[in-house]
Amino acid sequence: QSVLTQPPSVSAAPGQKVTISCSGSSSNIGNNFVSWYQQLPGTAPKLLIYDNNKRPSGIPDRFSGSKSGTSATLGITGLQTGDEADYYCGTWDSSLSAVFGGGTQLTVL
Amino acid sequence: EVQLVQSGAEVKKPGESLKISCKGSGYSFTSYWIGWVRQMPGKGLEWMGIIYPGDSDTTYSPSFQGQVTISADKSISTAYLQWSSLKASDTAMYYCARRPAYGDTIDYWGQGTLVTVSS
Repeated sequence: QSVLTQPPSVSAAPGQKVTISCSGSSSNIGNNFVSWYQQLPGTAPKLLIYDNNKRPSGIPDRFSGSKSGTSATLGITGLQTGDEADYYCGTWDSSLSAVFGGGTQLTVL
Repeated sequence: EVQLVQSGAEVKKPGESLKISCKGSGYSFTSYWIGWVRQMPGKGLEWMGIIYPGDSDTTYSPSFQGQVTISADKSISTAYLQWSSLKASDTAMYYCARRPAYGDTIDYWGQGTLVTVSS
């Protein structure tokens, strides 16, 4: 049972938009920045979004993040088959203890 | 270029000890936290604990406190995760990951070390 709650799976057609939700509480998301990670099959997670809505260098602007209260959302527009992956939200429930969502598997139909 | 390079896959028997490593390069190793994350087969990410190599300040997730030991040798820019007595349930992929000292994210991940514990 993960601390943060994500839908197990989402799907959409190529070129379409999809959103992935992440729900937490005041002890984690409510008082900390949220990050999103992409895990392509058989690879390590990779930072996609940090500080709720910032993109690291090299991450296309098709990926966006937002946070409101104790929930966060990842948005992906212009879906590509290469976006098929597991997506995890993450934050902190104390200054040095990270918590993650259970992961959402994205299928591009 | 920032890199976290982990040691290779391990196959062990229950009760054996193990120490896996994570070598950082391309940045000041003593100025960033290094955390460890477990991913059991087909499952999500679980936070195990974190160390600051600059002074070896270490914090463990309650779920892993007493089950593993996290350490670091700053002279060779390497962090470690070790077990004194492995169990079959320790079979998983283990990732090291970097957290900036003044940041709220995990910005780089190692490639992972697969640990298989089987009799």
